Amino acid sequence: GESVGLHLPTLSVQEGDNSIINCAYSNSASDYFIWYKQESGKGPQFIIDIRSNMDKRQGQRVTVLLNKTVKHLSLQIAATQPGDSAVYFCAEAGGGKLIFGQGTELSVKP
Amino acid sequence: EAGVAQSPRYKIIEKRQSVAFWCNPISGHATLYWYQQILGQGPKLLIQFQNNGVVDDSQLPKDRFSAERLKGVDSTLKIQPAKLEDSAVYLCASSSEGWTEAFFGQGTRLTVV
Repeated sequence: GESVGLHLPTLSVQEGDNSIINCAYSNSASDYFIWYKQESGKGPQFIIDIRSNMDKRQGQRVTVLLNKTVKHLSLQIAATQPGDSAVYFCAEAGGGKLIFGQGTELSVKP
Repeated sequence: EAGVAQSPRYKIIEKRQSVAFWCNPISGHATLYWYQQILGQGPKLLIQFQNNGVVDDSQLPKDRFSAERLKGVDSTLKIQPAKLEDSAVYLCASSSEGWTEAFFGQGTRLTVV
């Protein structure tokens, strides 16, 4: 079946470094992608989204890149801070459905 | 703007008992989702409502799970009888239209013993 998955289950970075979290998706018909951040004990929180007709979108300290050719999505976090420590999920949307991948745990070392 | 409200935050029940969760979405949001998140995994969609109609319940274990959104606003999710493998966080989310970003509540952590 269709699925969204992440390459790395855990990522540890030094405070101040840039972080890159990757995601692979399999449904080429998906037209919208979202990155969520989930802190312990909380629900997922929207970070940034991108439509399938774009290949890059920037937010505050975050950038999402979409490569439809290889069905790959990435989230870049600039100058990673301790408050960025969380589990990050990519999700694909198509036909009104929102499907999540497994998640990557980001750990920021001071 | 108030967020998605869920209650209770935590619930512990014995297997074969029943339990119900409540969700109040963001005002005006037509789409409401219930997700199950097992520890260490991503949220899995159980059921999606558009107003008070079911859009997708293909992954809802209908022999034991039920959900309703009678007036197109609040929603309840019920499990009867509960199994040990139902232990998870149950997340409610809402959005203004189908594919736009969904806003999540804090979830209800269910432990079945």
